[in-house]
Amino acid sequence: GAGVSQSPSNKVTEKGKDVELRCDPISGHTALYWYRQSLGQGLEFLIYFQGNSAPDKSGLPSDRFSAERTGGSVSTLTIQRTQQEDSAVYLCASSQKSGPETQYFGPGTRLLVL
Amino acid sequence: KQEVTQIPAALSVPEGENLVLNCSFTDSAIYNLQWFRQDPGKGLTSLLLIQSSQREQTSGRLNASLDKSSGRSTLYIAASQPGDSATYLCALTSASKIIFGSGTRLSIRP
Repeated sequence: GAGVSQSPSNKVTEKGKDVELRCDPISGHTALYWYRQSLGQGLEFLIYFQGNSAPDKSGLPSDRFSAERTGGSVSTLTIQRTQQEDSAVYLCASSQKSGPETQYFGPGTRLLVL
Repeated sequence: KQEVTQIPAALSVPEGENLVLNCSFTDSAIYNLQWFRQDPGKGLTSLLLIQSSQREQTSGRLNASLDKSSGRSTLYIAASQPGDSATYLCALTSASKIIFGSGTRLSIRP
């Protein structure tokens, strides 16, 4: 079946611009996660959505970052006024439940801020 | 605060050898521990998931163990192959988040 998809696969932007990254989770998965992986670093948790509950935003690095999930399915991660340190691969994952469950990752969006 | 450490950071072995990758963590209050592999330019592939109440899981040539009391997990790869070359990540899930180690970059020499 279809896995998690993300778009765009690559994004190059200028410092100060806003960007939107999209994630389409696996159909029926109620949990959705955003992570990022900076060059040479491990994976960093950003935000988590579970059903209609308020999202866990504890991993967002600054108030320039926000995310929403419409209709419990597609999610958009928005980065406002991008900075060079925002350059990273942004990964989205979904899972069927919020508890002990395997998360299925998308291919990621590679963001480069010039 | 949960900290996850993976040792070694990089490992190169000849094809056919058995090898062990290590993952240590500081907080034993976890839901599960998961091992992933990441190939260059690609997303993550889940390898094995060990629930908090379990001690090990096996899939093919892979075996992962979990010892919460000592804060350790190991990933054992038997009869390594060049196709096993990748970065291996362990990740701990607690509450709603998953915390990753920095990975072990594995290279299998033909």
